[in-house]
Amino acid sequence: GAGVSQSPSNKVTEKGKDVELRCDPISGHTALYWYRQSLGQGLEFLIYFQGNSAPDKSGLPSDRFSAERTGGSVSTLTIQRTQQEDSAVYLCASSTLAGGPYEQFFGPGTRLTVL
Amino acid sequence: QKEVEQNSGPLSVPEGAIASLNCTYSDRGSQSFFWYRQYSGKSPELIMFIYSNGDKEDGRFTAQLNKASQYVSLLIRDSQPSDSATYLCAVDTNAGKSTFGDGTTLTVKP
Repeated sequence: GAGVSQSPSNKVTEKGKDVELRCDPISGHTALYWYRQSLGQGLEFLIYFQGNSAPDKSGLPSDRFSAERTGGSVSTLTIQRTQQEDSAVYLCASSTLAGGPYEQFFGPGTRLTVL
Repeated sequence: QKEVEQNSGPLSVPEGAIASLNCTYSDRGSQSFFWYRQYSGKSPELIMFIYSNGDKEDGRFTAQLNKASQYVSLLIRDSQPSDSATYLCAVDTNAGKSTFGDGTTLTVKP
């Protein structure tokens, strides 16, 4: 079956522009996660969607960042008024919450470069 | 103190040696523990999980868990150059949200 897909794979934008990053999770996975990874660094948690519950937004670094998940499937991460420090790889992962443990399956990531 | 801490690394071992990767966590309510491998420029992929005290073996990999000491480790026997990667420890309280460590970079030298 298909894995987690993300688009675009690369995005170059100018400082101050808005960007949208898309994630298609594995079909049937009810949990979806967004992470950010700067070069040589670990995973920085951004947001977690779990089924129909309110999302855990505790990792969003500023109000310029937002995310939504439509129909319990596709998710979009939006960064408004991008800054150079937003440059990183944005990773999406999904997981089934049926039983455990909850292995996360990662997409290939979107590399964002803010000029 | 970080919730999940790993050896800062980098760790370098000769081919054929045992590589030992360590992780400690702060939340005593943690239930599930994962080791992910991330090759340079790639996404993390799960290599092992463990949720019971003791050892769990899968081929050349052994995960060890000690909940009393809040410690989990990964041993890689007969290390190969293809094992060179960053290894991420992740801890889950069974709420479905894992907390990741910063990773330990392993280099296996031929």
